[in-house]
Amino acid sequence: EVQLVQSGAEVKKPGESLKISCKASGYTFTNQWIGWVRQKPGKGLEWMGVIYPGDSDTRYSPSFQGQVTISVDKSINTAFLQWDSLKASDSAKYYCARRTDHLFSFDSWGQGTLVTVSS
Amino acid sequence: SSGLTQPPSVSVSPGQTARIPCSGEDLPQQYAYWYQQKPGQAPVLIISKDTERTSEIPERFSGSTSGTTVTLTISGVQAEDEADYYCQSTNNSNPYIMFFGGGTKLTVL
Repeated sequence: EVQLVQSGAEVKKPGESLKISCKASGYTFTNQWIGWVRQKPGKGLEWMGVIYPGDSDTRYSPSFQGQVTISVDKSINTAFLQWDSLKASDSAKYYCARRTDHLFSFDSWGQGTLVTVSS
Repeated sequence: SSGLTQPPSVSVSPGQTARIPCSGEDLPQQYAYWYQQKPGQAPVLIISKDTERTSEIPERFSGSTSGTTVTLTISGVQAEDEADYYCQSTNNSNPYIMFFGGGTKLTVL
C-alpha cells in the first residue's frame, strides 16, 4: 500500500526558516515524481512543483519558483519542502502527493502539514 | 494559457444529477483529472484522463469532454457526495507544469 506520511504542524514567526517532510513507502520512491500542493484556509489547491527522486530533476510552478525549495533524500525515501524566510502569507496546509506513473496527476496524497506563520 | 475555470458552487437535491464544468483552452490537447476533497481530508483522484474512473470510485461518477470544456457528472447524487471538486490539467507547452481549477463546492440540498 502506498503511503505518504507528512511531518507535523508547525508554528513559526515571519523571517524564520522551515523544512517540512513527506516520507514515502509502499512503492519504489526513486521511480515516480512527487510533488507539493498548497491550500490556504478556505481556498483552493495550488500546484507548487514536483521532483523526480531518481535524479532530483525539479519543476516549479512559476508562482513558487524562487520562493520555496523542493528536495529529496533517497536514502530515507523522503521529500522535503523548505522556506528560507517565511512570510505570513505562507500560512497554509501543504500536501505532498505522488504523481501517477506516466500521467500528470496525483494518485496518492499525504495527510497534509499545517504551517502557521505569525508574529 | 494555464487557467482552468470552474463555477464556485453547484447545488442539487439527493437523487438528481450534478454537472460540474471545467473550461480551459489547453483541454483539447491535454488530459483533465478530477479530485474530490471532503472537509479536513486530503484530495482523492476520482477521474483520470478526462473520462476514466479511478479504482473504487462509484459508477455514478463520470467524466466527459467537449472542446475546451470537461465535465464531471454525478448521477443520483447522495449526501456523501457533498464535497469540493477540483479539475486539474497540464500546460500544453510544458506538461510537467500542472495546475488546478479554482474548485467547485457541491452542496446536496
